[in-house]
Amino acid sequence: DGGITQSPKYLFRKEGQNVTLSCEQNLNHDAMYWYRQDPGQGLRLIYYSQIVNDFQKGDIAEGYSVSREKKESFPLTVTSAQKNPTAFYLCASSSRDRGNSAEAFFGQGTRLTVV
Amino acid sequence: QKEVEQNSGPLSVPEGAIASLNCTYSDRGSQSFFWYRQYSGKSPELIMSIYSNGDKEDGRFTAQLNKASQYVSLLIRDSQPSDSATYLCAVNGKNGNQFYFGTGTSLTVIP
Repeated sequence: DGGITQSPKYLFRKEGQNVTLSCEQNLNHDAMYWYRQDPGQGLRLIYYSQIVNDFQKGDIAEGYSVSREKKESFPLTVTSAQKNPTAFYLCASSSRDRGNSAEAFFGQGTRLTVV
Repeated sequence: QKEVEQNSGPLSVPEGAIASLNCTYSDRGSQSFFWYRQYSGKSPELIMSIYSNGDKEDGRFTAQLNKASQYVSLLIRDSQPSDSATYLCAVNGKNGNQFYFGTGTSLTVIP
């Protein structure tokens, strides 16, 4: 089945620890995105990537890092510099072939909690 | 000013009624508009996309777009309890690189 897989579903981070969230897609999409969702604030863009080996900061990139070494994969690292990382993290992808008409499709999300 | 604005609700309608969800956007160059449904604790699911002025119907759902007024809406006819969710409006910016999301409208359909 084609889709976007995020893992793990739940993740617990200790203070001062870096953690990496996985996002893999088999839709052959060029563009991938990471969003953070907090209650009452909608989705906020962290990073996005249009092609392999290239990515751009979104609105709230501080304390996060990404890589795009393969078309299928776009992992997000939440570093210790991110002071309030508890949130629901969503990975999405879209096809650049359809230009501005392309829809974004989401993985099932990772819920990160600081303990 | 936020890129995309929605009334947060909550919006409650009786079963069988029409639910009307509204969204405005700030970037006049936006070209693509989407409605997502998000159940509690789950990820957003695409339910409608619209690119041209006017109405687009898909089953019980109708999306309406008015680019002059920078307004997009979603009508849900014959609302069902299973429609109870948060509905997110999204806009693809004029450069096509980013999706901007509203904060969502919470809908409850009362049996």
